[in-house]
Amino acid sequence: GAVVSQHPSRVICKSGTSVKIECRSLDFQATTMFWYRQFPKKSLMLMATSNEGSKATYEQGVEKDKFLINHASLTLSTLTVTSAHPEDSSFYICSARVPRRGNEQFFGPGTRLTVL
Amino acid sequence: AQSVTQLDSHVSVSEGTPVLLRCNYSSSYSPSLFWYVQHPNKGLQLLLKYTSAATLVKGINGFEAEFKKSETSFHLTKPSAHMSDAAEYFCVVSPYNNNDMRFGAGTRLTVKP
Repeated sequence: GAVVSQHPSRVICKSGTSVKIECRSLDFQATTMFWYRQFPKKSLMLMATSNEGSKATYEQGVEKDKFLINHASLTLSTLTVTSAHPEDSSFYICSARVPRRGNEQFFGPGTRLTVL
Repeated sequence: AQSVTQLDSHVSVSEGTPVLLRCNYSSSYSPSLFWYVQHPNKGLQLLLKYTSAATLVKGINGFEAEFKKSETSFHLTKPSAHMSDAAEYFCVVSPYNNNDMRFGAGTRLTVKP
């Protein structure tokens, strides 16, 4: 149990376009999901906490207008990178907490975004 | 405030020899501690976690870690390395029942034949 999926696994886009990444909890309902960014050979950086039915909470330094997060249902959160630029190229990973199982987070497989 | 320091950015061992990946933490609360493994271009897989129960925690694939409060450490060990253990390992700290998970910088484990 506690499986988290992401789609797409890999995306290449042109500079200036927007890209949407989906994060789904497959076998549980997740009121809270998290979005991380990972640069090559670096650790994970928390970007934002996504709460079902309310606005996301962004970490300091993360542009909320650049990285739009929507958590419209208990099993789906989306991250949209708007007007993407090459510096947005990165590995984006989402995670979710299982209710009543403490603070362990279950991670998706990640999405590799390349902006040309 | 909470933070994690992984003392080695890269560890190289020979197959069949012991593995030691070091992690020190800082936390204002009674922490939960985790070790995750990440293979190239893959998501993270939980190896083991400590949540204020037994201080010696056994995980998957023969890994274990010991929580030492006096040393604020949570080092990851394995008696005998396998080629498939080559990956990036992250130590993570989180106050119990708190959203905040803080990742260490990661340790890249190389296993030589």
